[in-house]
Amino acid sequence: AQTVTQSQPEMSVQEAETVTLSCTYDTSESNYYLFWYKQPPSRQMILVIRQEAYKQQNATENRFSVNFQKAAKSFSLKISDSQLGDTAMYFCAFMNRGTGANSKLTFGKGITLSVRP
Amino acid sequence: KAGVTQTPRYLIKTRGQQVTLSCSPISGHRSVSWYQQTPGQGLQFLFEYFSETQRNKGNFPGRFSGRQFSNSRSEMNVSTLELGDSALYLCASSLSLQDKYNEQFFGPGTRLTVL
Repeated sequence: AQTVTQSQPEMSVQEAETVTLSCTYDTSESNYYLFWYKQPPSRQMILVIRQEAYKQQNATENRFSVNFQKAAKSFSLKISDSQLGDTAMYFCAFMNRGTGANSKLTFGKGITLSVRP
Repeated sequence: KAGVTQTPRYLIKTRGQQVTLSCSPISGHRSVSWYQQTPGQGLQFLFEYFSETQRNKGNFPGRFSGRQFSNSRSEMNVSTLELGDSALYLCASSLSLQDKYNEQFFGPGTRLTVL
């Protein structure tokens, strides 16, 4: 079974600074996808960034980038120039490609990020 | 385009009762997934539906069931409610089964409290 581990329950960062959120996962599959989802206090979950396992290049979306280390099964999220609106819970998630039972989002426990003004 | 909508937003039930939650996906989306979110267990996958057929199921007891209608709207039902069923139930939609690898769009959730 796939597992996703986010070992830091919460972090705090000063506005305009950079913060990195850690995530490790465990799988025996080779074809999969990794995601970071953000859940603000209003509770609507939104996708931050996505990485395809077969792509070596790290994904980037504006201020958000990932450090994908496939061999180490590590998938960290870097937020640059942190903004107050980045305050939220962040979930790392894994999805195996295919039609099997593991073709579903498996989430980590999440990390609460607070951006201080 | 309207997002994923879930009704009701809040629900209070007592143990032993049953409950039905509804999810309307984004217009044109045909794949719907359900997740349970609790402080202790985090986010856990319940089911996935596409074209009115359950395509995938998580490790939940048979008290949890769901269905999808021809207009892609989905309902989930929990019978014989237990205190541990108190949770935020999230629905997510995607254009197709293939499109879920790109992004699933989440609704605001239904907060169920079992007393």
